[in-house]
Amino acid sequence: EVQLVESGGGLVQPGGSLRLSCSASGFTFSDNTMHWVRQAPGKGLEYVSAISSGGGTTYYADSVRGRFTVSRDNSKNTLFLQMSSLRTEDTAVYYCLKPYVDWGQGTLVTVSS
Amino acid sequence: EIVLTQSPATLSLSPGERATLSCRASQSVSSYLLWYQQKPGQAPRFLIYDASNRAAGIPARFSGSGSGTDFTLTISSLEPEDFAVYYCQQRSNWPYTFGQGTKLEIK
Repeated sequence: EVQLVESGGGLVQPGGSLRLSCSASGFTFSDNTMHWVRQAPGKGLEYVSAISSGGGTTYYADSVRGRFTVSRDNSKNTLFLQMSSLRTEDTAVYYCLKPYVDWGQGTLVTVSS
Repeated sequence: EIVLTQSPATLSLSPGERATLSCRASQSVSSYLLWYQQKPGQAPRFLIYDASNRAAGIPARFSGSGSGTDFTLTISSLEPEDFAVYYCQQRSNWPYTFGQGTKLEIK
């Protein structure tokens, strides 16, 4: 059974940083592209980032490019999202997913002073 | 960026009725269109890939159609558990994008 467990969310002040992790199990992590999607409270879904199986190719939404960095450690079956220069509009539940069937439960990031 | 526009924003129907949800793309996405269902407090559930293919375990009452810029998700006979928010998503061009969602509510 595929399991994706996000962690690292929390309350951070505007301008601050946070690193999200997504621990994967139940499949060959190193064979799969992985994605991050977020959902602001009461709003729709927004793609944030994607990373190729080997980590050599990354994609970012315009809204986060230059501030967020996606990476992975295939030896530890873990996906990361390093978020810096956080803004109030980054407040959301962040989901990692193995495209497109398997989603984590999400981790809430709140950016507020 | 490809913009996906879903209609209607809200659809009020009764169990047993047929639901037709629309998703229109600002430019062609070929058949690279997905559909999800989301219930409150839950992660999205993957329903349809590449416009018309049901994901594993998805009931046959769910069907998708379309190509290019116009797509439809049809639920042939609504069950009580089908009332939720539905999103379309394109995977043709990065940045991948979602529609704003259609809320399917009980009439």
